[in-house]
Amino acid sequence: GQQVMQIPQYQHVQEGEDFTTYCNSSTTLSNIQWYKQRPGGHPVFLIQLVKSGEVKKQKRLTFQFGEAKKNSSLHITATQTTDVGTYFCAALWGGYQKVTFGTGTKLQVIP
Amino acid sequence: DTAVSQTPKYLVTQMGNDKSIKCEQNLGHDTMYWYKQDSKKFLKIMFSYNNKELIINETVPNRFSPKSPDKAHLNLHINSLELGDSAVYFCASSRGENQYFGPGTRLLVL
Repeated sequence: GQQVMQIPQYQHVQEGEDFTTYCNSSTTLSNIQWYKQRPGGHPVFLIQLVKSGEVKKQKRLTFQFGEAKKNSSLHITATQTTDVGTYFCAALWGGYQKVTFGTGTKLQVIP
Repeated sequence: DTAVSQTPKYLVTQMGNDKSIKCEQNLGHDTMYWYKQDSKKFLKIMFSYNNKELIINETVPNRFSPKSPDKAHLNLHINSLELGDSAVYFCASSRGENQYFGPGTRLLVL
């Protein structure tokens, strides 16, 4: 079945440092989504990428979809303590009804 | 005015019992899902329903049976609970794009 790996599994950064998580799929994807889950909370949708090579920004967050549509990255500039949580990518295919979540990257920000 | 709600929020029960978790969404979405999140935070899809019809049924023991009485509800019934069923179960709904997750049901099997 579809496998989606994320690296790193954990990341501790000093507040103000940058952070990047990478998502890699074994197959070409239709779309990729990113979610954030705060400790004790539920996943919350951040963004969806559809086109090959697409780059989208949300304030300090930059999302990128690879040219081959097999990988994606999320970059946070100048992390803040509010960025703490686990970031998941989610690979979609089969008309949005088939979805596989990545293994997640847990971000800890040290004030 | 919660978008996706689940009950109960916490569930502690003995091995061998049967339990149900309920999910309701008021977003008018056509597709609903059940996910299991284990202690390592891996999110695994269990079931997907579209317009009350089962679309995805991943490799899940048949002790787990979803039921969708209407488009707004997707309940999960679990028979003969086992220790390994302890996890957080999330319901989600979508209309083609991003998914809206419920707050989760924390199930502990003793």
